Amino acid sequence: QVRLVQSGAEVKKPGASVKVSCKVSGYSLAELSVHWVRQVPGKGLEWMGGFDREDGETIYAQKFQGRVTMTKDTSPDTAYMELRSLRSDDTAVYFCTTGFSYGYVHDWGQGTLVTVSS
Amino acid sequence: QLVVTQAPSASASPGASVTLTCTLSGGYSSHSITWHQQQPGKGPHYLMKVNSDGSHSKGDGIPDRFSGSSSGAERYLTISSLQSDDEADYYCQTWATGIRLFGGGTKLTVL
Repeated sequence: QVRLVQSGAEVKKPGASVKVSCKVSGYSLAELSVHWVRQVPGKGLEWMGGFDREDGETIYAQKFQGRVTMTKDTSPDTAYMELRSLRSDDTAVYFCTTGFSYGYVHDWGQGTLVTVSS
Repeated sequence: QLVVTQAPSASASPGASVTLTCTLSGGYSSHSITWHQQQPGKGPHYLMKVNSDGSHSKGDGIPDRFSGSSSGAERYLTISSLQSDDEADYYCQTWATGIRLFGGGTKLTVL
């Protein structure tokens, strides 16, 4: 069973960067695709981008291109999402997700609240 | 262009059944989808994957009251014998080349 444990809540000022981590256990990162999803308070789920193990590609939603970087380390099995040039409308809960089959989300981290406020 | 559509809300009484719909458009009617439940104040969790032929594979521990099916470009989630803790937001998710996409979610109220 995949277990995803994310880093704790962050408070950032506008213009700053945030880096959220997601530690994977139960499976090796090499066996999984890892994607990041965010949820603005009171709104739905929004896909940000991620890494697909099948083709080794990292893809980003057009909305975040140039402002986000997603990486991973295999020792320990941890994925990272860095979002730069933060704005107040980036205040959201950020989730890491993993999947076994191409294109589909299966497991979720507990979420990391990022608050952007001056 | 892939579009994933869900009704914003649904309601049913305790003990009844309800079917939620996820509609795929933009030429993606053969794609599978996944369903996810998000209870109030919690993160989402995986319910099942539903294929275009109507077969489905549920996550660990998901009760038999939850089932999936398909018809054309529509993917369904049926919840039977509704309980109060089924009150939640339900999201479907699928993919196209270069993107992953969630539907807008359906808020299920158990009256």
